[in-house]
Amino acid sequence: SQTIHQWPATLVQPVGSPLSLECTVEGTSNPNLYWYRQAAGRGLQLLFYSVGIGQISSEVPQNLSASRPQDRQFILSSKKLLLSDSGFYLCAWSLGPSPSYEQYFGPGTRLTVT
Amino acid sequence: GESVGLHLPTLSVQEGDNSIINCAYSNSASDYFIWYKQESGKGPQFIIDIRSNMDKRQGQRVTVLLNKTVKHLSLQIAATQPGDSAVYFCAENKDNYGQNFVFGPGTRLSVLP
Repeated sequence: SQTIHQWPATLVQPVGSPLSLECTVEGTSNPNLYWYRQAAGRGLQLLFYSVGIGQISSEVPQNLSASRPQDRQFILSSKKLLLSDSGFYLCAWSLGPSPSYEQYFGPGTRLTVT
Repeated sequence: GESVGLHLPTLSVQEGDNSIINCAYSNSASDYFIWYKQESGKGPQFIIDIRSNMDKRQGQRVTVLLNKTVKHLSLQIAATQPGDSAVYFCAENKDNYGQNFVFGPGTRLSVLP
């Protein structure tokens, strides 16, 4: 069966510090991978998605970047965090296009920038 | 357009009653929609999906209705239970390739005892 891992679960970082969040998927090959951000009490905002190694599409211009060094590994990074980067970061994967485009979400990382 | 950034509307229902959660989508060309449930501190979980060639789809205690004329989607939960308390999101397939979904702002469902 497929599983998705995200770490760390929680993170407190000072403004201006770098960020690296990692997501890995097990049990499937060539998944589509996604990074979302969810501000407190709000909806999901798609940040990046990837359909293959080294292929990254950005949905929102910002100081974040994403990389996919391996088929089942997706990394979200920042060189200098802003206060507005605080939120709940979710990684997801899907097999789309497929009969079902369902996205399977990881447990999330709660980031607080102080 | 995307409605990310709006504060969550809340729906309160009595345990045992039926719940109806509504969602308006933006793209008349969207061909696939999903409802997700998100419990506090967790990632969203798939509930039910529907394609644009259907008006209605039923699952276990849940029904999704699609009205393409007014670009409206609804999720009906029968006999609402305390475990149904969560935030519910609709998502529309933006690019028809299953790669890019736009999520609605979500609705918080509170089940009252």
